Amino acid sequence: QVHLVQSGPEVKHPGASVWVSCQTSGYTFTDYYIHWVRQAPGQGLEWLGWINPKTGRTHHALKLQDRVTISADTSLSAAYLELTSLTSDDTATYYCGRDGGRILGMTPYLDFWGQGNLVTVSS
Amino acid sequence: SYEVTQTPSVSVAPGQTATITCGGHNIGGKSVHWYQQRPGQAPLLVVHDDSDRPSGIPERFSGSNSGNTATLTISRVEAGDEADYYCQVWDTDIDHLVFGGGTKLTVL
Repeated sequence: QVHLVQSGPEVKHPGASVWVSCQTSGYTFTDYYIHWVRQAPGQGLEWLGWINPKTGRTHHALKLQDRVTISADTSLSAAYLELTSLTSDDTATYYCGRDGGRILGMTPYLDFWGQGNLVTVSS
Repeated sequence: SYEVTQTPSVSVAPGQTATITCGGHNIGGKSVHWYQQRPGQAPLLVVHDDSDRPSGIPERFSGSNSGNTATLTISRVEAGDEADYYCQVWDTDIDHLVFGGGTKLTVL
């Protein structure tokens, strides 16, 4: 069974950085891209970026280009999101998701999701 | 960048059919994917590539896509279908995933 398990909730001060992890199991980690998506309270879904764990190549949303880093540890089958220079606008639940489309030569979609973890930015 | 729009809310009585739309310029030329998100839960993929259902998703969920509108149809709606539904496409020009704003389905 495919599982994506994320780290716990975080509370950060403005200007700080946050590191979120996504531990995967049940499939070959290097075969599937991992995406990061966030959702502010009461709002919709916002795509943040992806990583190809096999190559380490990443691609980020233009809006967050300078503040976001996505990485992966193939030995641990885990992906990570780091977001720097936090503001209250970054308060959201952050999700990782497995890309089930690209491996089939199709367009990307997220067939399995982590449970999400809430990052709160507050002074 | 490519944008998709969704009606904010849809209401339907149990047993009836719910129709949720996702609009975008020539969206019929793109593959559209749909997610269900119940309160407090992570999104769940219910339809991918316009009309394909993942394993475990009931046949009551179906999708179509043509012209400027993609549609998620839920037949014989149940109380458990009450959730937010999001469409998603891939903006190939900038290699970004794009989500619609979501539609809240209320079962009366």
